[in-house]
Formats: sequence, C-alpha cells, structure tokens
Amino acid sequence: KNEVEQSPQNLTAQEGEFITINCSYSVGISALHWLQQHPGGGIVSLFMLSSGKKKHGRLIATINIQEKHSSLHITASHPRDSAVYICAVGKSYSGAGSYQLTFGKGTKLSVIP
Amino acid sequence: NAGVTQTPKFRILKIGQSMTLQCTQDMNHNYMYWYRQDPGMGLKLIYYSVGAGITDKGEVPNGYNVSRSTTEDFPLRLELAAPSQTSVYFCASSYSASGRYNEQFFGPGTRLTVL
Repeated sequence: KNEVEQSPQNLTAQEGEFITINCSYSVGISALHWLQQHPGGGIVSLFMLSSGKKKHGRLIATINIQEKHSSLHITASHPRDSAVYICAVGKSYSGAGSYQLTFGKGTKLSVIP
Repeated sequence: NAGVTQTPKFRILKIGQSMTLQCTQDMNHNYMYWYRQDPGMGLKLIYYSVGAGITDKGEVPNGYNVSRSTTEDFPLRLELAAPSQTSVYFCASSYSASGRYNEQFFGPGTRLTVL
C-alpha cells in the first residue's frame, strides 16, 4: 500500500463547479503539501499545512491529523485550473537534519468551459 | 530572482553514456533535492542535500551521484546511462532552519531519454 493515496485519479468538471480532491496517508507526518503541475510540466507549491485549514484565492486546503486525511477544494472552477494536483507528506529526520517528501500519484483535473 | 534553473531541458543519451544535469538556485536555500517523475507514478527522491558539502541518498539513488560544493549548485551525475533512467528530472530547493521546514521550489525539469 502506498504511503500517500489520492482520489480521484482523474476528474472532469464543468466550469463553475466546486471541486474536491482527497488525500489519505498512512504514516506520521510533519506537514502535508499540495502542489500543482501545469500541463507544460512545471510544479508549484500551493499549500503546506500541519493542522486546520488554509485558503488562497479560490483554493482551500484542509487537514485532519487524527484521520490522516487532507482535502483540496477549488471553488468556482475555471479552465485555467486544469492541471495535475499532487499531495505529498513531509517528514523530518532529526538525526540527519533532513526533511523529505513522499508524493501521491496526482489527480488530473480537467475543467471544461 | 530566477528561482531554480535546470539545464538542459531535453536530452537524448545512448546506453552507457554519461551526463550531468545542472541545477542552480539563487534564493540562498540550504536544502536541495533531486526527484525523478515516471509516467503514472509519484515523484521519487533520488538525492538530497542539507547544505554545502552534505549530501545523502533518497529512495532511488542507484545509478546517480551528486555533489554540493556551493550553496547555489546541486548537479546530478548519471554514469553509464540505462533505459530505466528515462524520466523527467526535477530539482527543488527550500529553506529550513531551527527545525522549521518550508515549501519547496521546483525547477522546470529535464526530460531525459536513454536509447
């Protein structure tokens, strides 16, 4: 079983719809990251959160540490939101002084006009 | 700031050839990472560095080597390229201090094909 599971794998929505992408993980983490990979391949960080909820524009990320689950919501979706959304869990290793991410396989979102 | 830059953008190698993927960041980040992304799979960590002169293996280090002589540069060396190394390679960096970790900034990627 992968440490990080995302659902759905693919999602098609009509412009204006409310979108939810889910992420479940099986290990203890320091923080959870949501990233966006554009159709051209570039990757940008959207959120890094260790508790509660964060909002940026039309994007909202939530995390439930007890249930080991996070959601990414997009309100009033737009065709420019079409991308792959990647969930990653971050763990720190005090001995090595390092912080490493384990990634989910991504959710491909297509928003149709 | 240019952020994280990678060269080349594309490369085709023959089996057994060697090459170096370049990665440079201008944000004075101490942590740097190399990932590979294969179709349908999540990104996998190849090597990472927590500062100049300090590197360590990630999940999939076989067939690769790294060095970190400066804060800015973190080259990835492929020796004896194999078809299994066909992938898209991403370099990333972040700043961490006093046990606090931050988001990672990614380069544009290098698409490598080994034939």
